[in-house]
Amino acid sequence: EAGVVQSPRYKIIEKKQPVAFWCNPISGHNTLYWYLQNLGQGPELLIRYENEEAVDDSQLPKDRFSAERLKGVDSTLKIQPAELGDSAVYLCASSLDGLTGELFFGEGSRLTVL
Amino acid sequence: KNEVEQSPQNLTAQEGEFITINCSYSVGISALHWLQQHPGGGIVSLFMLSSGKKKHGRLIATINIQEKHSSLHITASHPRDSAVYICAGNHNTDKLIFGTGTRLQVFP
Repeated sequence: EAGVVQSPRYKIIEKKQPVAFWCNPISGHNTLYWYLQNLGQGPELLIRYENEEAVDDSQLPKDRFSAERLKGVDSTLKIQPAELGDSAVYLCASSLDGLTGELFFGEGSRLTVL
Repeated sequence: KNEVEQSPQNLTAQEGEFITINCSYSVGISALHWLQQHPGGGIVSLFMLSSGKKKHGRLIATINIQEKHSSLHITASHPRDSAVYICAGNHNTDKLIFGTGTRLQVFP
């Protein structure tokens, strides 16, 4: 069974440019998370989806970040415009049903903003 | 003070040694995850446990809900075990609180 798939793995852009990350969770997983991880630190939640509904986006900087999961399956996370401080790894994770089950992470998308 | 704390922050060991990483939390949690992250790699879930003990190969995880403490043990450590180990607690069933991680290096 395929795991959580993210793309791109690496992205280098100049500041003020837009960038988008894509995540395909494990088939059948209702819950999808986007996390941000800075070097040497633990993941920080950006947004959590239950199916197509964003149930927790309190930590998402909505002035420049947006996310969608239109059909309750795959999801995109967009940053526009990117700032230098956005350089980090963006992790997508999924679980069958909230936090009652095991969490599966993708390989992450490493963003470098120059 | 973090709600989930790990110790030690950094750990070095010789191949074959028994390793213990500790996780203490100050909030109520319903379950605790142990995660592994290799340098430049994604995160892999090792265990999710809410009571007692789980074993998978050379890895053992224990949790004591009353004492708010969990441990991850690695028996017969190997250089490929070198990674960052992260514990994370399910808080109120809808929020995962991460520890800051323990960086383990196992030398041959």
